[in-house]
Amino acid sequence: NAGVTQTPKFQVLKTGQSMTLQCAQDMNHEYMSWYRQDPGMGLRLIHYSVGAGITDQGEVPNGYNVSRSTTEDFPLRLLSAAPSQTSVYFCASTPQGLGGLGEQYFGPGTRLTVT
Amino acid sequence: KQEVTQIPAALSVPEGENLVLNCSFTDSAIYNLQWFRQDPGKGLTSLLLIQSSQREQTSGRLNASLDKSSGRSTLYIAASQPGDSATYLCAVEIGAGANNLFFGTGTRLTVIP
Repeated sequence: NAGVTQTPKFQVLKTGQSMTLQCAQDMNHEYMSWYRQDPGMGLRLIHYSVGAGITDQGEVPNGYNVSRSTTEDFPLRLLSAAPSQTSVYFCASTPQGLGGLGEQYFGPGTRLTVT
Repeated sequence: KQEVTQIPAALSVPEGENLVLNCSFTDSAIYNLQWFRQDPGKGLTSLLLIQSSQREQTSGRLNASLDKSSGRSTLYIAASQPGDSATYLCAVEIGAGANNLFFGTGTRLTVIP
């Protein structure tokens, strides 16, 4: 299994540009999530999905859109990039555990810089 | 909102030493607690997951304990090695779902040969 894959690894955008961060998993996990990691702030949840066709907002959803048309893929779209979106973005997937989420599997991350 | 704290933010130890990393949380009604390792420029790797009904989990040289009543978890690393150098994060789930998972900011561990 490839696990959770993310592309691209690095990206530089100009303010106002849009782009899509790709995330895919081959473990047939129902739950998928997008986080951003900023120095001193830990990981913050952007959007998540509990299954194909179902998405919901996390703690910091503004400026981002998601869709989940298949179990495997969960792309994150930046609508109009802003310097405040400079961050490292992680995608995660997890099977449904007993009484909560199971073990989380993370992708390698996308390092995004917005100038 | 659940607050998850990891102190210290950074720790250096000589190789071979046993060490303890701390994680504290404010809401004791948790579903589970998970410890992760993050190498520089990499994603998070799950180390141990402790369900709320469990007191500890072990994997090799790692042992994680959970005390819900005091809102604390510890990650014990035995006989530390330079390869253990990384940032260690804990995450607490307070309800079913990704929107109820809260991460600490991590402890950066350096093991000196």
